[in-house]
Amino acid sequence: DVKVTQSSRYLVKRTGEKVFLECVQDMDHENMFWYRQDPGLGLRLIYFSYDVKMKEKGDIPEGYSVSREKKERFSLILESASTNQTSMYLCASSYGAGGGEQYFGPGTRLTVT
Amino acid sequence: GENVEQHPSTLSVQEGDSAVIKCTYSDSASNYFPWYKQELGKGPQLIIDIRSNVGEKKDQRIAVTLNKTAKHFSLHITETQPEDSAVYFCAASFRSGGGADGLTFGKGTHLIIQP
Repeated sequence: DVKVTQSSRYLVKRTGEKVFLECVQDMDHENMFWYRQDPGLGLRLIYFSYDVKMKEKGDIPEGYSVSREKKERFSLILESASTNQTSMYLCASSYGAGGGEQYFGPGTRLTVT
Repeated sequence: GENVEQHPSTLSVQEGDSAVIKCTYSDSASNYFPWYKQELGKGPQLIIDIRSNVGEKKDQRIAVTLNKTAKHFSLHITETQPEDSAVYFCAASFRSGGGADGLTFGKGTHLIIQP
């Protein structure tokens, strides 16, 4: 079974803090994705990566950055957390090119106070 | 970029009845259309998908139809059961400027099965 794990289920941070969200997949997938999920807005793509050290912006990259130093790990970084970044963050991975099933982690509920 | 519209946002049906969720997409280059189910406290999970060279696909009680000309696709669930209660998302593929493949999701439908 594909497994995507996220470092925390719940996280509370203060405004202005630097926040790291970690995601690890165990299926040697090339592609990894970070989404945020908000009520009524669905899943919105923040950043994605199709290879080590490669990244592309999604629909809402402002205020975020990412790092992919190893194939299995994709990190989302909030450089200076703000209250409007309070959300559910979901990581996903998929295999290869041509589009295909994305496997999601359980999510991290981030609260910025 | 790709835009995916999903309706309705909430759907309540009696147990045993059918449920239909509809999505439209904007990018004619999209060629992959998955549906995900998200249960409370979990990440979304793929339940069925369809590629653009197929008009319909069925898996037991769930089916997906695709009309490429009209750019819309639908999820059909028959003989609904309590465990079908969840949030359902449609998605359409896109290819980025860098040649990578991703998904654009609809806003979700909260399906409620009434006993």
